[in-house]
Amino acid sequence: TQLLEQSPQFLSIQEGENLTVYCNSSSVFSSLQWYRQEPGEGPVLLVTVVTGGEVKKLKRLTFQFGDARKDSSLHITAAQPGDTGLYLCAKGGGGGSNYKLTFGKGTLLTVNP
Amino acid sequence: ETGVTQSPTHLIKTRGQQVTLRCSSQSGHNTVSWYQQALGQGPQFIFQYYREEENGRGNFPPRFSGLQFPNYSSELNVNALELDDSALYLCASSLEQGAGGYTFGSGTRLTVV
Repeated sequence: TQLLEQSPQFLSIQEGENLTVYCNSSSVFSSLQWYRQEPGEGPVLLVTVVTGGEVKKLKRLTFQFGDARKDSSLHITAAQPGDTGLYLCAKGGGGGSNYKLTFGKGTLLTVNP
Repeated sequence: ETGVTQSPTHLIKTRGQQVTLRCSSQSGHNTVSWYQQALGQGPQFIFQYYREEENGRGNFPPRFSGLQFPNYSSELNVNALELDDSALYLCASSLEQGAGGYTFGSGTRLTVV
């Protein structure tokens, strides 16, 4: 059972456009991680958000953690073909009893040149 | 430092056969987790090994088993393969049960026919 809902499931846009993808849960999580997975590769960690209301920026990517720590969003500005991939959110992975990562199904992003 | 390496990269097996997948953890990491990623899904946690002991298990049947060796490399064994076992199998290593985050390998693509 996937406890994290990601939307949209698929997104195809033109180079230069902006986009936002979402990750939602009915329960509070202590931290949330965002990964990008390219075809034929494993997921690569982009960011971990921990504090409600937290905003983190990674170049053209902006990650936001909801105030209630039940949701998160990833906004990409001026998307490029290199941004193409599967974007996964995951809870857990913090070590100790919280070691297991639970992933959403992901958003498959295609950025067309 | 070397990353996580998995072998083989691709594998085709017949239903009912057994398979062994291998993972070399990143240098300095003592924890290895295994995930199954079916097509169009996020990775699902199979189990984790910490200092050569199984540290936790997801909702997978006993025919999925594993080992961790003194050098912290790991094997995933699947007996009596079923068609639904076709998936990308990902290995992730970390320090101390996930502290500091996980590094994923590129995975083994298993096809069961």
